[in-house]
Amino acid sequence: SQQGEEDPQALSIQEGENATMNCSYKTSINNLQWYRQNSGRGLVHLILIRSNEREKHSGRLRVTLDTSKKSSSLLITASRAADTASYFCATDWGSGGYQKVTFGIGTKLQVIP
Amino acid sequence: GAGVSQTPSNKVTEKGKYVELRCDPISGHTALYWYRQSLGQGPEFLIYFQGTGAADDSGLPNDRFFAVRPEGSVSTLKIQRTERGDSAVYLCASSLTASGPDGYTFGSGTRLTVV
Repeated sequence: SQQGEEDPQALSIQEGENATMNCSYKTSINNLQWYRQNSGRGLVHLILIRSNEREKHSGRLRVTLDTSKKSSSLLITASRAADTASYFCATDWGSGGYQKVTFGIGTKLQVIP
Repeated sequence: GAGVSQTPSNKVTEKGKYVELRCDPISGHTALYWYRQSLGQGPEFLIYFQGTGAADDSGLPNDRFFAVRPEGSVSTLKIQRTERGDSAVYLCASSLTASGPDGYTFGSGTRLTVV
């Protein structure tokens, strides 16, 4: 399937440390997105990186994309307890003129105060 | 509305019953998506609407599942003869355009429990 795979599946760090999550996928993509989910309910869109981009920043978030390796990473700098959540990568691989987005199984991040 | 609204937030039903889950997308968003998320898993695609039509229903698991969006705004996901395996959080998302780069806006989901 096109589903991305996040690594690690769980991550526990101290507040103030950086958190790095990785995502690998299988086939060519149009773009890759990262989402955050608290308590198993609605997901919040964090950042989108296009297939022709290599790095993107948004606040304390840094996303990289390596299309040759079919992988992406999400770095959260200076983590806070409020960053505790599950993080999902989502790959858009649609070719029919619309986003066909497939999610990975997520990384569960715990930031310890 | 300001966000994507899903009702009910929780639904408990008996095996074999029929349920309807409602999604009210952001006003003006033409694209609407339904996903299903089981515990410990990522969201799994069910169906995509562009306007009133279902442009891609390849994710619907079987013919017990059906969704409509008759006026191009509110959508209803319908599940007939529910089974315990249908228990999950059903998520709805919308986006301004079908190919837009802005990502999806998700609702808070409906947690369906089939007993």
